Amino acid sequence: EIVLTQSPGTLSLSPGERATLSCGVSQSVISNCLAWYQQKPGQAPRLLIYGASSRATGIPDRFSGSGSGTDFTLTISRLEPEDFAVYYCLQYGSTPWTFGQGTKVEIK
Amino acid sequence: EEQLLESGGGLVQPGGSLRLSCVASGFTFSTYAMVWVRQAPGKGLECVAIIGGLDDNTYYADSVKGRFTISRDNSRNTVYLQMNTLRVEDTAVYFCAKRGRGLVAADSWGQGTLVTVSS
Repeated sequence: EIVLTQSPGTLSLSPGERATLSCGVSQSVISNCLAWYQQKPGQAPRLLIYGASSRATGIPDRFSGSGSGTDFTLTISRLEPEDFAVYYCLQYGSTPWTFGQGTKVEIK
Repeated sequence: EEQLLESGGGLVQPGGSLRLSCVASGFTFSTYAMVWVRQAPGKGLECVAIIGGLDDNTYYADSVKGRFTISRDNSRNTVYLQMNTLRVEDTAVYFCAKRGRGLVAADSWGQGTLVTVSS
């Protein structure tokens, strides 16, 4: 099973600041099948990024993904109030699909 | 608009069984792979089962292999998760999701259904 490790566990930032979230993978992700999700309390996850760097439909361009192989990054260029949430990475190139443990982005 | 609606959750005793259903609308259901993902209270996400679109291949997390079965009925636009020999640690909100085309990951999700395993 492929293991994903997200860092940091919690990111304390102010609106308008830049957020950089990392996802390390225990083995190379096939076809860059790495996605990022946002989840708010009581809600289902929302797809932000797929294929490591492609934005999903309707996702603002302040969200961007980068990386390949075993190291991936989600960047939020300027945090809006609605961006404070938990973020998960997911590898879906191999079965079973596996998620990282999440990074909480909280208001400083 | 794509929609997924889960049902079938509830309270069950350890060792018991439950069948979850997820009814899809707004897309050609038979051509998409479907996924069940769970989230224990206050915890992260875990993909428990996947079923292919046209090929019906199935995949399971080690934690549920041999106990859970994913299936689909394309005539009813429904995917199921049969859960047997339930354990306390299976307590979670269960989400169904649709895998997108090509390199797109799970792009549409239901609102989830809560399964509580407790005596």
